[in-house]
Amino acid sequence: DAGITQSPRHKVTETGTPVTLRCHQTENHRYMYWYRQDPGHGLRLIHYSYGVKDTDKGEVSDGYSVSRSKTEDFLLTLESATSSQTSVYFCAMGAGAQETQYFGPGTRLLVL
Amino acid sequence: GDSVTQMEGPVTLSEEAFLTINCTYTATGYPSLFWYVQYPGEGLQLLLKATKADDKGSNKGFEATYRKETTSFHLEKGSVQVSDSAVYFCALGDHSGGGADGLTFGKGTHLIIQP
Repeated sequence: DAGITQSPRHKVTETGTPVTLRCHQTENHRYMYWYRQDPGHGLRLIHYSYGVKDTDKGEVSDGYSVSRSKTEDFLLTLESATSSQTSVYFCAMGAGAQETQYFGPGTRLLVL
Repeated sequence: GDSVTQMEGPVTLSEEAFLTINCTYTATGYPSLFWYVQYPGEGLQLLLKATKADDKGSNKGFEATYRKETTSFHLEKGSVQVSDSAVYFCALGDHSGGGADGLTFGKGTHLIIQP
């Protein structure tokens, strides 16, 4: 009964290739988020969505795009992966800026 | 912009010791404050939260009080256990500043409890 899942959980790719990470929720939350976690930085917001087809940029959005065609799915795409995008990516869902966010298990991405 | 500062550690304590992890914040509005915990290889779990000044959040023996006058939200536990070993993140959520609607996180504090 996870409520929010991510796929894949692990991925190794090469520089310059496109990569899409998927986040799926079953809780009907309006807001969904993508963060990246790096040593010494905590978690940083990449993009978020406040409804179907409604998305906005976060703190570290360069090199990333997102799409949300259904309430339950939020996709993060790296158009042309770079080594600096090696990270652990977390998806989250919630009800807005001042409300609790619930996190997925994470995707560990290695760009060679 | 909004920011959160917390001690990074690692913080190493013996079992049954008293724990304090300091967290201070800067925000343009009236944020909600959160502590999340991350166990090895897992995602983040909400530990506790507070939504307005003087609120106290508590869960599993952990407590934190929202102090607006000192812009702080320090995490405390009276007697830690080995199972409390994890990384702890302080975070704030603030829409009124006009920025993105995500959470702003501190860098995380790695807590190690020795038996």
